Amino acid sequence: KAGVTQTPRYLIKTRGQQVTLSCSPISGHRSVSWYQQTPGQGLQFLFEYFSETQRNKGNFPGRFSGRQFSNSRSEMNVSTLELGDSALYLCASSFGRYNSPLHFGNGTRLTVT
Amino acid sequence: AQTVTQSQPEMSVQEAETVTLSCTYDTSESDYYLFWYKQPPSRQMILVIRQEAYKQQNATENRFSVNFQKAAKSFSLKISDSQLGDAAMYFCAYGLTGNQFYFGTGTSLTVIP
Repeated sequence: KAGVTQTPRYLIKTRGQQVTLSCSPISGHRSVSWYQQTPGQGLQFLFEYFSETQRNKGNFPGRFSGRQFSNSRSEMNVSTLELGDSALYLCASSFGRYNSPLHFGNGTRLTVT
Repeated sequence: AQTVTQSQPEMSVQEAETVTLSCTYDTSESDYYLFWYKQPPSRQMILVIRQEAYKQQNATENRFSVNFQKAAKSFSLKISDSQLGDAAMYFCAYGLTGNQFYFGTGTSLTVIP
C-alpha cells in the first residue's frame, strides 16, 4: 500500500511570492491534515480536510489556505510569503477519527529568501 | 487550552540500555487518544505506540512501552534494549474527537554505541 506522498520535497521561494504544496493520502483515507514544523516549535496544526470540507483550522493567518479534491488529494497554498514561513510542511492522512493514527508524508522543505 | 509538554529537549542512552522520555498534557476532555511518534533524519514521522485514554492498561509494542497516568496527565515512553536505529526525534501527541491532534515540541534521542 503506497504511503502519503508529498511534492515537491524541496522548494525555494522569494519573499512575497506564493507557493502550492501537494499531498496524496493513503488510499482509503478521507482526512488530510497539514502541519508546520519549525525547530523549537514542534508541529503546529494548520488545518484538516475531510471529504473536501475543511473541518478544523489552526491559528494561522489567512495567507495559509488549502483545499481537498474528490479523490482526497489535498493542496496547501501560502500567499505573500514571509521569511518566517520557512519550515518543513508535513501532510498526514487518516480515516478521520480521533483514534485513527495519522500517517505522515516526508514533508516539503520550504525556504523563503 | 490544549497543550503537550515534553520537558527533555535532548536525551542520550547507551546502546542496549533503557531510556524513558517524558510527556505531560493538559486537556479538559475525557475522551482522547495518546500517541508517540518517531521522526528519524529521513523526516518521515512514524507511529511508535498509541494508548486509549479510557484504558487503564499501559500499551506495549515490542521494546516500546508507555506509563500512562491519567490523573497526572502524564504519558511517558520507555524504550528498552535501545538500538542505534532508535536515534530520532520523538514527539508525544494526543487526539481529540473531531480529529484534532496536538503535538509536543519533541525530544531528540541519541543512542551511544
